Amino acid sequence: KNQVEQSPQSLIILEGKNCTLQCNYTVSPFSNLRWYKQDTGRGPVSLTIMTFSENTKSNGRYTATLDADTKQSSLHITASQLSDSASYICVVSTSGGYNKLIFGAGTRLAVHP
Amino acid sequence: DTAVSQTPKYLVTQMGNDKSIKCEQNLGHDTMYWYKQDSKKFLKIMFSYNNKELIINETVPNRFSPKSPDKAHLNLHINSLELGDSAVYFCASSQGSQFNSPLHFGNGTRLTVT
Repeated sequence: KNQVEQSPQSLIILEGKNCTLQCNYTVSPFSNLRWYKQDTGRGPVSLTIMTFSENTKSNGRYTATLDADTKQSSLHITASQLSDSASYICVVSTSGGYNKLIFGAGTRLAVHP
Repeated sequence: DTAVSQTPKYLVTQMGNDKSIKCEQNLGHDTMYWYKQDSKKFLKIMFSYNNKELIINETVPNRFSPKSPDKAHLNLHINSLELGDSAVYFCASSQGSQFNSPLHFGNGTRLTVT
């Protein structure tokens, strides 16, 4: 069954600290993996898209990694800011005839001053 | 200058009513979508239109009818609303297939059916 699981479900960190969010997937065949940021009351905003051949991709203070062998991805946030408080959603795209986007439930991050 | 805008932001209505949600994108994208985000925060695709043609229609009750008058607009009409329809509905767009291109989402319409 195609699934995307994210951990932790929620996380609280202090402003200025780093954190890493995890995404494990069982989606096959794999096409690409994306991370989205969703602020409360807003729509998701794309942070990164990575294909099979990409191990890491950065977008400012956000760095995503992908290990296609173990089917794991992580999103690392450096020097967190209050505005990083949001839900982070991992999404995996399948390929091979019946394309589908499989969404994770998200990790809710709260950055406290 | 909102790229994908949907109205209304909040919609409270009674069971059995018919309601519509409108969506417009000014990104020049050729594909638009309706997604539903349930109480567990999972996003699930409902419909996808490419250049005004329906290309994805997931298992959605036929009480839900999308309409795309042009490639910049995709509206969602819901007949005979039920309690289980309460959710946040997101419109999105992409240039080309959503499987290879990032989705650009609107800010959602929170539908509450009482």
